[in-house]
Amino acid sequence: AQSVTQPDIHITVSEGASLELRCNYSYGATPYLFWYVQSPGQGLQLLLKYFSGDTLVQGIKGFEAEFKRSQSSFNLRKPSVHWSDAAEYFCAVGARGTGFQKLVFGTGTRLLVSP
Amino acid sequence: KAGVTQTPRYLIKTRGQQVTLSCSPISGHRSVSWYQQTPGQGLQFLFEYFSETQRNKGNFPGRFSGRQFSNSRSEMNVSTLELGDSALYLCASSPGQGGFTDTQYFGPGTRLTVL
Repeated sequence: AQSVTQPDIHITVSEGASLELRCNYSYGATPYLFWYVQSPGQGLQLLLKYFSGDTLVQGIKGFEAEFKRSQSSFNLRKPSVHWSDAAEYFCAVGARGTGFQKLVFGTGTRLLVSP
Repeated sequence: KAGVTQTPRYLIKTRGQQVTLSCSPISGHRSVSWYQQTPGQGLQFLFEYFSETQRNKGNFPGRFSGRQFSNSRSEMNVSTLELGDSALYLCASSPGQGGFTDTQYFGPGTRLTVL
């Protein structure tokens, strides 16, 4: 079955420092991969997605992610974190089965930004 | 354009009752998906509608149902509420025919508390 693992529940980063959030997926075929962000009291916002092509994907708010098939990973990065980036981040994989397709989400990583 | 709106934003019910949640998609969007978010289970896909037809369904009991109207607005209903139904229910709309390849735009959610 398709699954997503985000091994870090919480991460604290100093403002201005670089960020990397880890995501590993399990999927038999070519994966469709996504990163979403959820700010407190808000719904989810799509940061970026990977379907095919260039394995380095650029997203909104200065985020990027790199698809590494050999490692089954799709880690999210940002070179310099801002206090407004404090939120929960979800990695997801698009899953298809007989008669259905859906997003399967990881458990999320909460990012805290220290001054 | 206005974003996805969900009503009500907060709801308190007691066990055994039923509840109806409403979602108005972004103007022009024809596909609506519903997700349940809980601390224990994370984000889980409930179902997806396109043109008033349920296209995809997650692994939830029959107490969870939904529908979509001709104006693309959607409702979901939970009957015989259980304590474990307490969650944030998120609605997302997408401009195409749905499925995870269609970018989803999320609403802020309805926080349901079951006492």
